Amino acid sequence: EVQLMESGGRLVKPGGSLRVSCAASGFIFSNVWMSWVRQAPGKGLEWVGRIKSKTDGETTDFAAPVKGRFSISRDDSKNTLYLEMNSLKIEDTAVYYCTADSDGGYVYWGQGTLVTVSS
Amino acid sequence: DVVMTQSPLSLPVTLGQPASISCRSSQSLVYIDGNTYLTWYQQRPGQSPRRLIYKVSNRDSGVPDRFSGSGSGTDFTLKISRVEAEDVGVYYCMQGTHWYTFGQGTKLEIK
Repeated sequence: EVQLMESGGRLVKPGGSLRVSCAASGFIFSNVWMSWVRQAPGKGLEWVGRIKSKTDGETTDFAAPVKGRFSISRDDSKNTLYLEMNSLKIEDTAVYYCTADSDGGYVYWGQGTLVTVSS
Repeated sequence: DVVMTQSPLSLPVTLGQPASISCRSSQSLVYIDGNTYLTWYQQRPGQSPRRLIYKVSNRDSGVPDRFSGSGSGTDFTLKISRVEAEDVGVYYCMQGTHWYTFGQGTKLEIK
């Protein structure tokens, strides 16, 4: 059974930093491009960023609102995906979902982890 | 940036009746490899999103065959042939051709 389990979300002050993680199981993690998608309270879905597989260069790409502040990494030995968030803003408050990319869309989703940015 | 526009944003439907959601993109979604990366998701209340359809018309495993996707270029549609109570939720289209962009979401409710 495929599982994506996010963790690490919490309350952070504006300007602060936070790293959230996603533990994957049930599929060959190292072969898959992984993304983070967020959803602000009561709002729609927003793509945050993506990391390719090591075979494809392990390069990262980000949406404009988070570019330069967020980074994504992966540890294929631990089947774990990371999202490092710096210079957090109030508008970054959201549930952050870890997703696995297949055929240009996200076939697997975690349950999400809530990041709240507030003073 | 590619803008995805869904309509309607609210969709009241009687049980057993069909439903249709439109999704239009501001640019063609045909990628250089010839594929069209248009995906549909369902998000039930309190749950994570679930992929229903990928590459315009391919149903994911376990998705009932009452769900179907169609379209090409910039104009796409998700159809539910006969709405059931478990279909209540928000439906999103997403393009994966020019990075990734979601539509605003369409809230389906039972009339």
